[in-house]
Amino acid sequence: AQTVTQSQPEMSVQEAETVTLSCTYDTSESDYYLFWYKQPPSRQMILVIRQEAYKQQNATENRFSVNFQKAAKSFSLKISDSQLGDAAMYFCAYLADQGGKLIFGQGTELSVKP
Amino acid sequence: EAGVVQSPRYKIIEKKQPVAFWCNPISGHNTLYWYLQNLGQGPELLIRYENEEAVDDSQLPKDRFSAERLKGVDSTLKIQPAELGDSAVYLCASSLGRGLSYEQYFGPGTRLTVT
Repeated sequence: AQTVTQSQPEMSVQEAETVTLSCTYDTSESDYYLFWYKQPPSRQMILVIRQEAYKQQNATENRFSVNFQKAAKSFSLKISDSQLGDAAMYFCAYLADQGGKLIFGQGTELSVKP
Repeated sequence: EAGVVQSPRYKIIEKKQPVAFWCNPISGHNTLYWYLQNLGQGPELLIRYENEEAVDDSQLPKDRFSAERLKGVDSTLKIQPAELGDSAVYLCASSLGRGLSYEQYFGPGTRLTVT
């Protein structure tokens, strides 16, 4: 069974600094997607970034980028130039087509200090 | 374009009472998901619909939970009777389809408190 693990329950970063959130996963599939979702206190889950497993190039979206290490089954999120609005719960998630369902990690609560 | 709509946003009920949650997906989205999110944890899938058909309900506690998606659009999730352990956030999501490239869009959720 596929699993997703986020080993950092809480992280803190100074405004304008860079922070990296860790995620590891376990799967026997070769084709899948990985996602980072942001969930602010209002609880609306928002997609931050996604990575296709067959692509070697790491995905980037403005200040957000990932470090995808397929062999190590690692998928970390880097947030550059952190802003107060980045404070939220961040979830790493895995999607394999066979199931059609997202498998989420436990989440990392990110706080941003002014 | 409107996002996924859920109601109510908050619900407080006493144990053993019934409760229902409603979800309206993004227009044109054939696939609809209900997720359960316990406090401090990631969401877990309860049921997935492809149009009107429930194609994955393996995680739905069928003794007390039921769901329907009439006409392949809106969906309702029901709990009867509710238990204290059902206190959680119930998230609805929708996507164009089931393939790997179809992004899931989430609603704001319904926070249920069972007293």
